[in-house]
Amino acid sequence: KAGVTQTPRYLIKTRGQQVTLSCSPISGHRSVSWYQQTPGQGLQFLFEYFSETQRNKGNFPGRFSGRQFSNSRSEMNVSTLELGDSALYLCASSLAGQGNEQYFGPGTRLTVT
Amino acid sequence: QKEVEQNSGPLSVPEGAIASLNCTYSDRGSQSFFWYRQYSGKSPELIMSIYSNGDKEDGRFTAQLNKASQYVSLLIRDSQPSDSATYLCAVNANTGFQKLVFGTGTRLLVSP
Repeated sequence: KAGVTQTPRYLIKTRGQQVTLSCSPISGHRSVSWYQQTPGQGLQFLFEYFSETQRNKGNFPGRFSGRQFSNSRSEMNVSTLELGDSALYLCASSLAGQGNEQYFGPGTRLTVT
Repeated sequence: QKEVEQNSGPLSVPEGAIASLNCTYSDRGSQSFFWYRQYSGKSPELIMSIYSNGDKEDGRFTAQLNKASQYVSLLIRDSQPSDSATYLCAVNANTGFQKLVFGTGTRLLVSP
């Protein structure tokens, strides 16, 4: 089975711009979660989608949003980028249901200048 | 108090030794526990999951869970230099949905 894929792998943006990141889950996985990883804060939960619905959201400002499509692929969007948004953005997929194992994609490294 | 706590290390062990990594969590209602390995510049890789009290073994890895003490550990037997990485403890928050809360990770260094 193919793993979780994320595009693009690297991105450089300027403050104030917006960005869209994409994630394709493992075939058959219907839950997609997004995480932000920074050296200072570690891995932090952004949100989770299941059946095109956001089921859970972390403590991030409204500039961070996402969506899920009927084929379970997911996108996340960050508007009005700030320098502090520079991070590794990770997508993880899992079977439906709480507590199932989550498998991470390679991540998108976002640099905001 | 942090939700998931790990010693940041580094934990240094010689090749062939047992590496013991520990993690405590604060949410007594947590039901699912995971260990991820993350090499520098890479994404986390799931190595163990554990849901019930006791031990779970997979190859050279053994996860141990004690819900009464809110404690999870990972033992790596016959440690190899290739095991040198950061090990992240993750707990599924008791929200009814998929939300992992991570510790800050323990850096393991295995010397030849």
